[in-house]
Amino acid sequence: LAKTTQPISMDSYEGQEVNITCSHNNIATNDYITWYQQFPSQGPRFIIQGYKTKVTNEVASLFIPADRKSSTLSLPRVSLSDTAVYYCLVGERHGGSQGNLIFGKGTKLSVKP
Amino acid sequence: GAVVSQHPSWVICKSGTSVKIECRSLDFQATTMFWYRQFPKQSLMLMATSNEGSKATYEQGVEKDKFLINHASLTLSTLTVTSAHPEDSSFYICSASFGTGSVTEAFFGQGTRLTVV
Repeated sequence: LAKTTQPISMDSYEGQEVNITCSHNNIATNDYITWYQQFPSQGPRFIIQGYKTKVTNEVASLFIPADRKSSTLSLPRVSLSDTAVYYCLVGERHGGSQGNLIFGKGTKLSVKP
Repeated sequence: GAVVSQHPSWVICKSGTSVKIECRSLDFQATTMFWYRQFPKQSLMLMATSNEGSKATYEQGVEKDKFLINHASLTLSTLTVTSAHPEDSSFYICSASFGTGSVTEAFFGQGTRLTVV
């Protein structure tokens, strides 16, 4: 499984766009990139998943360059409720290890008023 | 979307007793579920993979005789912490994956806060 590297923490203010970058230099051909959000004392929650280029849903965008060695989670106009830990995970989407997610340290995002 | 329900949300038990945590997939069948443990201010650590109808697969360093996993049906997996000790106090989380179209995401239970006194 590819190892990921993220900033330990980030600070932002309400209304700003936040970009969290994750490095995954050893990503394999079959690997997908998935981001999860976790609030204290809760299980992680899926945010977005992608393989290449750009993916957008109702809560975030995911930018993946051509070499796929990194990815950037973009949160538009954050609010105080976006304060959480964000995890970037890399792995196969299907197969015997489906769902076998190995979590890195994550990025603690603090949104201030 | 798919829902994974975990019960109880929190439990306090005396040292030496056993505690059972349930993980249910409410609206989909999960042949495989996963159990994680999370200590304060740390990331999730995978403990074991729970397979319906067969033995669980444990990660290195996780005692299978202490953390008993039973996956009796396609919607229920249980984790029993046997002879619990204060160092077993942690946040335990289960998950199951579900594919919808082009996305496969893991759905997590709300977690169980175990405190051993």
